[in-house]
Amino acid sequence: NAGVTQTPKFRVLKTGQSMTLLCAQDMNHEYMYWYRQDPGMGLRLIHYSVGEGTTAKGEVPDGYNVSRLKKQNFLLGLESAAPSQTSVYFCASSEHAGTSLADTQYFGPGTRLTVL
Amino acid sequence: GQNIDQPTEMTATEGAIVQINCTYQTSGFNGLFWYQQHAGEAPTFLSYNVLDGLEEKGRFSSFLSRSKGYSYLLLKELQMKDSASYLCAVRDKGPDAGNNRKLIWGLGTSLAVNP
Repeated sequence: NAGVTQTPKFRVLKTGQSMTLLCAQDMNHEYMYWYRQDPGMGLRLIHYSVGEGTTAKGEVPDGYNVSRLKKQNFLLGLESAAPSQTSVYFCASSEHAGTSLADTQYFGPGTRLTVL
Repeated sequence: GQNIDQPTEMTATEGAIVQINCTYQTSGFNGLFWYQQHAGEAPTFLSYNVLDGLEEKGRFSSFLSRSKGYSYLLLKELQMKDSASYLCAVRDKGPDAGNNRKLIWGLGTSLAVNP
């Protein structure tokens, strides 16, 4: 049981390049999330998914797209990378998003992205 | 607005007790989480409170007062490995369909444990 995994762990891009970050979970969780974490800004939600085939915008969605074609995978795409997207990206998953302990979010190890 | 306040930094001595406070102002409340995050690593779940009172889990305890919008994380018998950032997060009720309830995150409290 690996929990939540992310690939790649590190990546350096040039401005304008595109890339896809992959998140996979083996806990059969319905909900999946993409966050970015920047110094002084805390964790900010980019996009999330409430189930296979569904996605929704978080608080900072501009410049990113996502897809959830399979329940266990959640992809984050950067269409044209900008230096402002230099950050640490975390994927998380939860069984639900309600009011119980079962709705705890579990995080992947993160992807450290630098855009030059 | 929605806001979570935590001290930015704290310092404590190995073997001591430290209390990390979190105050929140949110439009709804459906539980409060504490996470631990070591430098360069992912946040890991520590505790969850949805009712008033104290939840104890080994060396860590978490307290909640919903009427005061206040929680604290208590760490006992501090060890060097407890040096980390501690994140407070409140589950609000989001405006979107499906009753998805958002997590509102604090900026974290960086705890340094000295020998």
